[in-house]
Amino acid sequence: DTEVTQTPKHLVMGMTNKKSLKCEQHMGHRAMYWYKQKAKKPPELMFVYSYEKLSINESVPSRFSPECPNSSLLNLHLHALQPEDSALYLCASSQGAGATYTGELFFGEGSRLTVL
Amino acid sequence: QKEVEQNSGPLSVPEGAIASLNCTYSDRGSQSFFWYRQYSGKSPELIMFIYSNGDKEDGRFTAQLNKASQYVSLLIRDSQPSDSATYLCAVTASNTGKLIFGQGTTLQVKP
Repeated sequence: DTEVTQTPKHLVMGMTNKKSLKCEQHMGHRAMYWYKQKAKKPPELMFVYSYEKLSINESVPSRFSPECPNSSLLNLHLHALQPEDSALYLCASSQGAGATYTGELFFGEGSRLTVL
Repeated sequence: QKEVEQNSGPLSVPEGAIASLNCTYSDRGSQSFFWYRQYSGKSPELIMFIYSNGDKEDGRFTAQLNKASQYVSLLIRDSQPSDSATYLCAVTASNTGKLIFGQGTTLQVKP
């Protein structure tokens, strides 16, 4: 059983749609992450929240909008996406937060996004 | 030069053999090193981490770190077909603490 839960597992959307990906963790971790992963590539960091505050934005286009409502929840709002945004979106959490991020990440199962 | 380099493979070993996966990194100040396993269509799973020079063993897995050579490896003893996956080496950057992934090595264990 994964302790980081992501919904939905699969999402198909058109370029004009607005949708959201959701992530929840109950491990008391202080940092939460969004990664994007294309086939046969490593995960690419998108955003990091540390103590519910956005601490890293890896120059992600504004059509991706993260939100951290509380320490257990992380959302990724999607709007006006492009077909090239189709990928596996991974949420992760770590116990460490702040200036030194631990590499001990716990990943959710991912949300596979297809943009038509 | 890539920050974290791995041979993409596939690395093919027979069942019961030792699989050796290698990784080099460019940031001499890196302090933390990780191995993630990713099955096809699944998310990465942390299987080993190592912070000090030398070997660290956990069951059939041994992580080896040589900071002077900027080299980290993962040995899998008594390889099983269930070990067939992509293994991602990851290193924390010394200036930002961000986790930098290598491209991954695909391991195939043949029965």
